[in-house]
Amino acid sequence: DGGITQSPKYLFRKEGQNVTLSCEQNLNHDAMYWYRQDPGQGLRLIYYSQIVNDFQKGDIAEGYSVSREKKESFPLTVTSAQKNPTAFYLCASSDRHRLAGYNEQFFGPGTRLTVL
Amino acid sequence: AQTVTQSQPEMSVQEAETVTLSCTYDTSENNYYLFWYKQPPSRQMILVIRQEAYKQQNATENRFSVNFQKAAKSFSLKISDSQLGDTAMYFCAFMTRSDMRFGAGTRLTVKP
Repeated sequence: DGGITQSPKYLFRKEGQNVTLSCEQNLNHDAMYWYRQDPGQGLRLIYYSQIVNDFQKGDIAEGYSVSREKKESFPLTVTSAQKNPTAFYLCASSDRHRLAGYNEQFFGPGTRLTVL
Repeated sequence: AQTVTQSQPEMSVQEAETVTLSCTYDTSENNYYLFWYKQPPSRQMILVIRQEAYKQQNATENRFSVNFQKAAKSFSLKISDSQLGDTAMYFCAFMTRSDMRFGAGTRLTVKP
């Protein structure tokens, strides 16, 4: 079945450690996104990538890094520089932006990161 | 900056009744898309309905329909014949070629 997978579902990290969240899609979508969800704040965009080997910062990129070496994969690293990393992280993908048609985003199941 | 506002943090409705969730947005763009997403307790984001800004006709998907008022920049979601499975967070979202914004969400509880 086509879809987006995120792993792990729950992740615990000690302060000062980097951690990488996995996101894989088999929908053949060009664009992929990472969002952070905190209570009462909706979704905030961390990074997005519209094509392989290219990505742009979103609204809250500080303390995060990404790579896009393959179309199917868009891992997110939460570095020790992220001051408040405990949150729910959602990955999404969509067809590349175009003038005509809509580009709904399909979401993965999310990863809950907790810093101990 | 483009913004999306959902002014109702929480709402409740009796099973089988109708409820309307509000959403307003602010943009200077003319071409954009609007979405309502549902996030049940499982936290999986599910697309409920979508609307292209250039279409005047309001979108409908079974029990879900929207009231799109482009001049007022309003995009409300109406749920008819509410079911217990509709209990979830609902997010309004706005997309252009270069931006995607979500509202803070409305927590809807359907009561038996």
